[in-house]
Amino acid sequence: ILNVEQSPQSLHVQEGDSTNFTCSFPSSNFYALHWYRWETAKSPEALFVMTLNGDEKKKGRISATLNTKEGYSYLYIKGSQPEDSATYLCAFPGSGGGADGLTFGKGTHLIIQP
Amino acid sequence: GAGVSQSPRYKVAKRGQDVALRCDPISGHVSLFWYQQALGQGPEFLTYFQNEAQLDKSGLPSDRFFAERPEGSVSTLKIQRTQQEDSAVYLCASSSSGGTYEQYFGPGTRLTVT
Repeated sequence: ILNVEQSPQSLHVQEGDSTNFTCSFPSSNFYALHWYRWETAKSPEALFVMTLNGDEKKKGRISATLNTKEGYSYLYIKGSQPEDSATYLCAFPGSGGGADGLTFGKGTHLIIQP
Repeated sequence: GAGVSQSPRYKVAKRGQDVALRCDPISGHVSLFWYQQALGQGPEFLTYFQNEAQLDKSGLPSDRFFAERPEGSVSTLKIQRTQQEDSAVYLCASSSSGGTYEQYFGPGTRLTVT
């Protein structure tokens, strides 16, 4: 059974501040790690698919890093805005990569306070 | 282009009723996934199709749950004799043919069993 842990469970951040949170996953048999953003009443939106140890990906003010040897990924948000309020999920596929169902963490619920 | 759509968006069922949830994936996507998200949890994998073939149904919680994708496009998740513990958001996702491809999610169907 794959165990994907996310911390913290929830986070309140002042508008304009930067923040980060963690996803931990099994370091053996690594294939890929997915990050999703899920805003209330909308579809989960893919942010990144990370595959290589040391990978760093960026999308606007959001970036992510990956350490497959120690089994963690960080998601960073620079200069938080109210529209960043959402639940951020990380997920780990089985050995088939994207052809397998994803195992999700419980998510980090981010609230940006004006 | 059109994303993944699901219907209905909300469904209230009395305990013991049968329900059918529909998913329209992105055109041309080979892979289709169903997930169940209970309150306070991350989405949990239910089942996976590659075209019309159901390759993995290990996540279906009981034999009351049944999924089909007869023509390799639209999929239906059916729950027979609904129970209160079936109350959850049911998410559908589609992706290109495997590898590390990201999954594109629909907005989900929120099922409430009373």
